[in-house]
Amino acid sequence: ETGVTQTPRHLVMGMTNKKSLKCEQHLGHNAMYWYKQSAKKPLELMFVYNFKEQTENNSVPSRFSPECPNSSHLFLHLHTLQPEDSALYLCASSQDGRANEQFFGPGTRLTVL
Amino acid sequence: AQTVTQSQPEMSVQEAETVTLSCTYDTSENNYYLFWYKQPPSRQMILVIRQEAYKQQNATENRFSVNFQKAAKSFSLKISDSQLGDTAMYFCAFMKHWGNYGQNFVFGPGTRLSVLP
Repeated sequence: ETGVTQTPRHLVMGMTNKKSLKCEQHLGHNAMYWYKQSAKKPLELMFVYNFKEQTENNSVPSRFSPECPNSSHLFLHLHTLQPEDSALYLCASSQDGRANEQFFGPGTRLTVL
Repeated sequence: AQTVTQSQPEMSVQEAETVTLSCTYDTSENNYYLFWYKQPPSRQMILVIRQEAYKQQNATENRFSVNFQKAAKSFSLKISDSQLGDTAMYFCAFMKHWGNYGQNFVFGPGTRLSVLP
C-alpha cells in the first residue's frame, strides 16, 4: 500500500465517547500533520510532528490529543467532543517538514452527535 | 499573522478554455513558499504547483502556471486547456519554515472550480 492512509473513513460518535483517528504514511517521510476542514472555513492546521516531535500546536482544545509513536504513524485521540467539532480531519506527511510537497490522506469524516 | 485570501468562492469554465484563480496573501516575511492544492470531489488533496518566494520566475507544471507578484503579494493560478478532471476545490497556501522550530502553514478558503462540457 502506498501514500497516506486514514482510518476510519467515517466516524459518528457521541459527546461522551472516546475514539481515535489513525494515519499511516508509506512514503518514508518524517513530518506528519493533522488538519481540520470544516464547511465554509479555511483548512486549519492543528498539529505538526517533525521526527516524532511535536513542533506545532495551533491552540487546539485539549479534547484533541495527538500521538506520534514513530514517523510513519500519527493518531488523533478524541474525548468529550462537541458538535462543532464535526468536520473532515485530514492527515498529511512531507519530507523533513520543510517546503516540500505535503501528501494528504483521504480524510476521516467525523460527526459528533 | 499570515492570511491568505481567495476572493472567488466559485468559478466555472468551458472545457478547453483558460481560467485564472486569484490568491492574495499578507505577510511581513521575505522568504516563504506558496502552493496551489487541488481537492477533487473524492477528497484526496494533491499538490498542483509550488513557488519559492525568492525565485522571480513563475512556476509552470504542464497546463498549470502561476503569476507570482511578490510586491503585490499576489499568487494567481492559470489553468490552460481546462479538462473535466480539473473540476475541484482549489486551495492557495502559504508556508513559512522556521527550521527546527516548526512552520506556519496557512490555507485560503478555497475556490470551487467547475469545468463545463
